[in-house]
Amino acid sequence: DTEVTQTPKHLVMGMTNKKSLKCEQHMGHRAMYWYKQKAKKPPELMFVYSYEKLSINESVPSRFSPECPNSSLLNLHLHALQPEDSALYLCASSHRTDVVDGYTFGSGTRLTVV
Amino acid sequence: KQEVTQIPAALSVPEGENLVLNCSFTDSAIYNLQWFRQDPGKGLTSLLLIQSSQREQTSGRLNASLDKSSGRSTLYIAASQPGDSATYLCAAHFGNEKLTFGTGTRLTIIP
Repeated sequence: DTEVTQTPKHLVMGMTNKKSLKCEQHMGHRAMYWYKQKAKKPPELMFVYSYEKLSINESVPSRFSPECPNSSLLNLHLHALQPEDSALYLCASSHRTDVVDGYTFGSGTRLTVV
Repeated sequence: KQEVTQIPAALSVPEGENLVLNCSFTDSAIYNLQWFRQDPGKGLTSLLLIQSSQREQTSGRLNASLDKSSGRSTLYIAASQPGDSATYLCAAHFGNEKLTFGTGTRLTIIP
């Protein structure tokens, strides 16, 4: 298995809703990442997990809450989002954070906040 | 500050032509550089990864080079096809747990 799987592919949520994005990989990678991408822009790093511990939070608002329950799974919990949070959310993984073998990205979750 | 730049932002070429996409970076202490392809609304597909000790990598019609001293990488696409139309992103790893992305080149192959 050489893939990063993200679910759901599309999500529409209201500003008062609570939802979660899920990311899974079975490549034995010990580093996992959340990125946010707006239209026609490159991905922006949100969070880095290394060996299931949060190592980088790029000053992301607390309405985004990451969780890494085990080495294969990464969640992003969403609460009280704003319309400007609408974007493509990408998950990625690598063997370690020194990324000798490069990153593998998932296909993303298209999030729309209404 | 570590920055990655891609010029031009958009490129259109007729089908069958060979083409080169450019990527520049400001820090020669680069660990590796990865080229990705992104179709509209989709995730990133890794094309080639070049380690700092390598000068080039090849996969099919694609060839990527890395010149640390000049801070440049190029992605060469041979015999372009309409299916090659996508946005191409280069991303550099400088050893600080994160990728630094270029702004991308949107490539259109004209049939």
